[in-house]
Amino acid sequence: GENVEQHPSTLSVQEGDSAVIKCTYSDSASNYFPWYKQELGKRPQLIIDIRSNVGEKKDQRIAVTLNKTAKHFSLHITETQPEDSAVYFCAASQPLSGTYKYIFGTGTRLKVLA
Amino acid sequence: NAGVTQTPKFQVLKTGQSMTLQCAQDMNHNSMYWYRQDPGMGLRLIYYSASEGTTDKGEVPNGYNVSRLNKREFSLRLESAAPSQTSVYFCASRGGSGETQYFGPGTRLLVL
Repeated sequence: GENVEQHPSTLSVQEGDSAVIKCTYSDSASNYFPWYKQELGKRPQLIIDIRSNVGEKKDQRIAVTLNKTAKHFSLHITETQPEDSAVYFCAASQPLSGTYKYIFGTGTRLKVLA
Repeated sequence: NAGVTQTPKFQVLKTGQSMTLQCAQDMNHNSMYWYRQDPGMGLRLIYYSASEGTTDKGEVPNGYNVSRLNKREFSLRLESAAPSQTSVYFCASRGGSGETQYFGPGTRLLVL
């Protein structure tokens, strides 16, 4: 079955610097890759996603890149701010039994230091 | 729209007790999911329902049962709770042609 590895598990950056979180997946059938932000005690919230027919997608300070050949995808946050501090999860999704199945990475705790 | 709602928000059980976690969505989504979230392990799929009347096992189904009561509601039942089931449980839904999942606020469960 699908397996998603996420690195690093924790990441500390100075305010204004960039942060990069990387994920790898194992199943080439996966074709949709969302990223979620989860603040303490809250639900995961989708922040950006990418489909397998696209190599890069950007939304203001957040971007995601996908390398299908290497089965890698990454989240890039530029000009980090204290409110970016949270746990970030990647996921790989594929069609299954009339719906989509999602496998999540183990999360990255991002701390933005003021 | 309330989106995805879950009840209760927090529950304490003794080992061997049973309980049902409730989930409802008002987005007319066909697919619904139950996950558990443990520290350092991300979100793991317990059960999912592709559409009303169907349910399937996910990665960690042992000790749980589910019911897709109708299109809106998807419940998760613990028949005999164990301390290993202490976790935060999230319900999610997905609908239409999109792949985006929407999560509920979670239920924090403590089994003593």
